Amino acid sequence: AQSVTQLGSHVSVSEGALVLLRCNYSSSVPPYLFWYVQYPNQGLQLLLKYTTGATLVKGINGFEAEFKKSETSFHLTKPSAHMSDAAEYFCAVSEGQAGTALIFGKGTTLSVSS
Amino acid sequence: DAGVIQSPRHEVTEMGQEVTLRCKPISGHNSLFWYRQTMMRGLELLIYFNNNVPIDDSGMPEDRFSAKMPNASFSTLKIQPSEPRDSAVYFCASSRPDNQPQHFGDGTRLSIL
Repeated sequence: AQSVTQLGSHVSVSEGALVLLRCNYSSSVPPYLFWYVQYPNQGLQLLLKYTTGATLVKGINGFEAEFKKSETSFHLTKPSAHMSDAAEYFCAVSEGQAGTALIFGKGTTLSVSS
Repeated sequence: DAGVIQSPRHEVTEMGQEVTLRCKPISGHNSLFWYRQTMMRGLELLIYFNNNVPIDDSGMPEDRFSAKMPNASFSTLKIQPSEPRDSAVYFCASSRPDNQPQHFGDGTRLSIL
């Protein structure tokens, strides 16, 4: 069975500092991996995805993530945090077949201080 | 392209009442997913459909919950009778046949008193 672990339910950074949100997964098949962001009272918005190919994936709002198979990780980074990045972030995995469900991590709340 | 549309956005009702949540997926998407989000359990898959057919309903918590997808552009999630522990945000998502990422609606915030 697939699972996702997000290390740290809360991460706090200063504006301009590096953002690092950690995600480890388990999957018996090559995974598809996703990061979503959720702002208060809104649905989930896709930040980026990894399916196949290049292991460094760039997404919206300056975020990127690197798929490391040997570490079963898909950590999300951003070089310089903005106040507007404050939100909840979810890592998710799927088996990659068309029409399969996502398994989500518990989420990490990112706070950005000025 | 219009996104996934859910209604109502908010629902407050008394215990024992029937609740119906509605979802219109993005046109051309053939997979539809219902998720529930709570503080305690995070985001959980309840059920999903491919081509209007339920594929996996193992996440549906009890027989009080049922979901239908009568056509490609509409789905309902029904709770009857509702209980306070059903209070949560319910999300609908849809995706294309080639497993492009799921697109989420804004959710229905359900409160059962």
